[in-house]
Amino acid sequence: NAGVMQNPRHLVRRRGQEARLRCSPMKGHSHVYWYRQLPEEGLKFMVYLQKENIIDESGMPKERFSAEFPKEGPSILRIQQVVRGDSAAYFCASSPPGGTTDTQYFGPGTRLTVL
Amino acid sequence: GNSVTQMEGPVTLSEEAFLTINCTYTATGYPSLFWYVQYPGEGLQLLLKATKADDKGSNKGFEATYRKETTSFHLEKGSVQVSDSAVYFCALRDYRGSTLGRLYFGRGTQLTVWP
Repeated sequence: NAGVMQNPRHLVRRRGQEARLRCSPMKGHSHVYWYRQLPEEGLKFMVYLQKENIIDESGMPKERFSAEFPKEGPSILRIQQVVRGDSAAYFCASSPPGGTTDTQYFGPGTRLTVL
Repeated sequence: GNSVTQMEGPVTLSEEAFLTINCTYTATGYPSLFWYVQYPGEGLQLLLKATKADDKGSNKGFEATYRKETTSFHLEKGSVQVSDSAVYFCALRDYRGSTLGRLYFGRGTQLTVWP
């Protein structure tokens, strides 16, 4: 059973460009979470999604950031018009449906650098 | 609200030394508690967890006991190895109210073990 997959692992963008980060959850997992890790800090929750639904986006910046988890395909975190302060590691985690476990399984992360 | 406070690092130890990393929490409900480990350039791996008061989580020689009376979940290992060098994160997941699903992380503690 493959783990949580994220790509790309490293992404470089210039200010004003768009960044698209992809996350494929573990097989059978329908819950996806996105977290951001700024340098020298812990992870901060951004958004929680289930298939085709945003459950909790209270940690997401109000502007430029959006997330989706379509019926088919990976979850996408999209950052429009990136700024230097968006440089961080973005981690995706997944968990199975039905509350069978409270454990979240993390992907390797995408390290975004904004020039 | 929910929050996690961890002992600040870095922590530097010699091989076979005893390790303690302190973690305390505040929570509005009945949280589950976790320790995650992050090796350089990688995502977070679950190290151990505890879901209710007085539970002890253990894995790979690491242990932590859920202490409700002191709101603590300190990580311990009797004899560390060089391969334990990593960043350790304490986290909680609360099951009450609108924060269902998200993990709250401490800032992380960098551990370096010298041979």
